[in-house]
Amino acid sequence: DTAVSQTPKYLVTQMGNDKSIKCEQNLGHDTMYWYKQDSKKFLKIMFSYNNKELIINETVPNRFSPKSPDKAHLNLHINSLELGDSAVYFCASSYDLAGYNEQFFGPGTRLTVL
Amino acid sequence: GNSVTQMEGPVTLSEEAFLTINCTYTATGYPSLFWYVQYPGEGLQLLLKATKADDKGSNKGFEATYRKETTSFHLEKGSVQVSDSAVYFCALSDGSNAGNMLTFGGGTRLMVKP
Repeated sequence: DTAVSQTPKYLVTQMGNDKSIKCEQNLGHDTMYWYKQDSKKFLKIMFSYNNKELIINETVPNRFSPKSPDKAHLNLHINSLELGDSAVYFCASSYDLAGYNEQFFGPGTRLTVL
Repeated sequence: GNSVTQMEGPVTLSEEAFLTINCTYTATGYPSLFWYVQYPGEGLQLLLKATKADDKGSNKGFEATYRKETTSFHLEKGSVQVSDSAVYFCALSDGSNAGNMLTFGGGTRLMVKP
């Protein structure tokens, strides 16, 4: 069974469109995250959610909105897509907010904006 | 703010060679330190971690020791295999902030040749 899953794996779209990426974890974790990995492999946190409450938002444009219908899901909705949004987006989860906890990552969604 | 610096790659080694990937950090508080590995086309997975000074994390022949005096967490392996070819990320989680935010280094690509 996949611990953290994301759909779709690949997403190709035009500038200006709105798209969503879905994430689900079956680990029973309290905390979920979204990370962005750019073309140079640099990883940066976007959002952290604990028990459906947003904890941090690292200077991400408000075109990006995380939505969590329940503790097992954290979806990422992106409005008015721009060329610079092209990247690989990773969802992750951890048992709780404690800093020593491992984060479990999904396989990633490669977003290409044309 | 927190930061992680790791040696730039790619690192190219022959099979059975000794591996060192340097990692140094800057953080407030008492961070936990991690090494994550990303195989081609996959998400990140935890390789090892250390949560306090002088702890040694180890897994699959890889080791790293949390050195508070030098703010370092260098990754080592005595004999690399072709299957170790991947991108390695050093990361820290500062237990003093909310959200269990992981700060990543830039990643080091390792290529092992037969």
